[in-house]
Amino acid sequence: DSGVTQTPKHLITATGQRVTLRCSPRSGDLSVYWYQQSLDQGLQFLIQYYNGEERAKGNILERFSAQQFPDLHSELNLSSLELGDSALYFCASSKRQGGNTEAFFGQGTRLTVV
Amino acid sequence: AQSVAQPEDQVNVAEGNPLTVKCTYSVSGNPYLFWYVQYPNRGLQFLLKYITGDNLVKGSYGFEAEFNKSQTSFHLKKPSALVSDSALYFCAVRDMNNQGGKLIFGQGTELSVKP
Repeated sequence: DSGVTQTPKHLITATGQRVTLRCSPRSGDLSVYWYQQSLDQGLQFLIQYYNGEERAKGNILERFSAQQFPDLHSELNLSSLELGDSALYFCASSKRQGGNTEAFFGQGTRLTVV
Repeated sequence: AQSVAQPEDQVNVAEGNPLTVKCTYSVSGNPYLFWYVQYPNRGLQFLLKYITGDNLVKGSYGFEAEFNKSQTSFHLKKPSALVSDSALYFCAVRDMNNQGGKLIFGQGTELSVKP
């Protein structure tokens, strides 16, 4: 168990809908990263927060947004969902941002858009 | 741009034989390199990292990795493979150009260990 908790584990929803994925980082970790894993794109970095502030953005669609709350948990909001958004979404956390610290991953949320 | 490449989509090994999963990197400056493993329907688990110092890094589950600066490689190795090592393996490099320091992952290598 990595100590990173993601909910829900599975999500099935229709096109056009909006969903929220939740991540609780390991105790004491200030940095949260979101990744999308799909068969054709591999692991793609979406966005990163550090102690409540957005620090880096990757290939995140405008339909997607995220935030990190004062208690350090993070949420990834996906709206106007399309079939192509079906993927495994991972959250990872680390004590610091960057440097030599490894990131610990949650078990992911498998999103299926039908 | 910083990147990692895993040239093999799949590696097949017999149980008890040594295994190598290859990774090459492209970064400016000194790299921070990582290996992760993903079992089916699970998240990525950290195996080991290279920061500086000894070129041979030891990690979890008997895995080790050899950092080679001249060849810009960071290959994952294990002296004797187990069937339970079958999984998807990812090499990653820290993005040193980005304030957030995200990990940049390779495409992954599927390791299959047969009895």
